[in-house]
Amino acid sequence: EVQLVESGGGLVKPGESLRLSCVVSGITFSNVWMSWVRQAPGKGLEWVGRIKSKTDGGTTDYAAPVKGRFSISRDDSKNTLYLHMNSLETEDTAVYYCLDGGYFDYWGQGIPVTVSS
Amino acid sequence: DIQMTQSPSTLSASVGDRVTITCRASQSISSWLAWYQQKPGKAPKLLIYRASSLESGVPSRFSGRGSGTEFTLTISSLQPDDSATYYCQHYNGYSGFGQGTKVEIK
Repeated sequence: EVQLVESGGGLVKPGESLRLSCVVSGITFSNVWMSWVRQAPGKGLEWVGRIKSKTDGGTTDYAAPVKGRFSISRDDSKNTLYLHMNSLETEDTAVYYCLDGGYFDYWGQGIPVTVSS
Repeated sequence: DIQMTQSPSTLSASVGDRVTITCRASQSISSWLAWYQQKPGKAPKLLIYRASSLESGVPSRFSGRGSGTEFTLTISSLQPDDSATYYCQHYNGYSGFGQGTKVEIK
């Protein structure tokens, strides 16, 4: 059974940083491309960014609203995905999900991030 | 970036009705399109991938069609449990979602 367990969320002030983690089990983590998707309160789904597998280059791509502020990394030895969030804005308040593959057949519970002064 | 536009934003239909949601991409995405159902307070659930492939366990009343820039999700006979918000997603290189369609039961 595939499990994706996010952690590291919480309440931060605008301009601060936060790192989310996602531990993945039930799949060969090193082989898969991983993404982060978020959903602001009462809003739709928003793709945040993606990291390819190392065999496919390990490169990252980001949505325009987070480019330059967020970065995604992975530690294949720990089956863990990270989202490093800098210069947080109130608009970054959302539930964040980590997901595997191109389309997303397994969803974790998500982790809430609140950016507020 | 590829923009995904869903229509309508909301729809209200009766149990048993045939319902169709449209998703248009700003440029061709071949068949790299998925559909999700989301109920309040829950994570989304995958319904359709690669435009027309039904995810295991999803009722056969759900179907997807299209390629290129125009796609549809059809519920052949709307059921009370289908009340939810539906999203399309492209996964052609980058990724992105439509703005969602809220389906209500009359």
